[in-house]
Amino acid sequence: DGGITQSPKYLFRKEGQNVTLSCEQNLNHDAMYWYRQDPGQGLRLIYYSQIVNDFQKGDIAEGYSVSREKKESFPLTVTSAQKNPTAFYLCASTMGMAFTEAFFGQGTRLTVV
Amino acid sequence: AQKVTQAQTEISVVEKEDVTLDCVYETRDTTYYLFWYKQPPSGELVFLIRRNSFDEQNEISGRYSWNFQKSTSSFNFTITASQVVDSAVYFCALSVNTGTASKLTFGTGTRLQVTL
Repeated sequence: DGGITQSPKYLFRKEGQNVTLSCEQNLNHDAMYWYRQDPGQGLRLIYYSQIVNDFQKGDIAEGYSVSREKKESFPLTVTSAQKNPTAFYLCASTMGMAFTEAFFGQGTRLTVV
Repeated sequence: AQKVTQAQTEISVVEKEDVTLDCVYETRDTTYYLFWYKQPPSGELVFLIRRNSFDEQNEISGRYSWNFQKSTSSFNFTITASQVVDSAVYFCALSVNTGTASKLTFGTGTRLQVTL
């Protein structure tokens, strides 16, 4: 079955550590996205990538980094510079056209301990 | 800048009741798309519908219907004869033209609880 796989489902991080969230898709989609979800705030865009080796900042990119070395993969690193990283992170992908519907993974819940 | 407002934070209904989820949007773009997504407890968002800014026809899909009114910048979602399986968080979202990407601006979501 085609879809988006995010791992791990739950992640705990100590303050000052970097952590990387995995996102893999087998839908052959060109564009991939990372969103952050906080209670009562909906989803906010962190980074997105339209093609391999290219990515753009979203609305809340500070403290995060991404790479897009393969079409199928778009990992997100939450760095120690992110002041409030505890949140639910969702990865999504779309076909390489504007306005197409997004397919989402099941998310990673990151908690800072 | 784009903005989506879902004023209803939580709605509780008894099974078989009809329920309407409100969505109001703001954009200066003349070409845009509106979406509704459902987020069940498992966490992933499930696509429900997409509507472009030039098509104001209402749409019905089974128990679901959508009412798009450009005059009031609203894109409301109605569930007829609600069921317990409809319990979820529902998000309205807006997309404007950004090349080949389909970036979404989300509302804050409406949590729907359907009880027996």
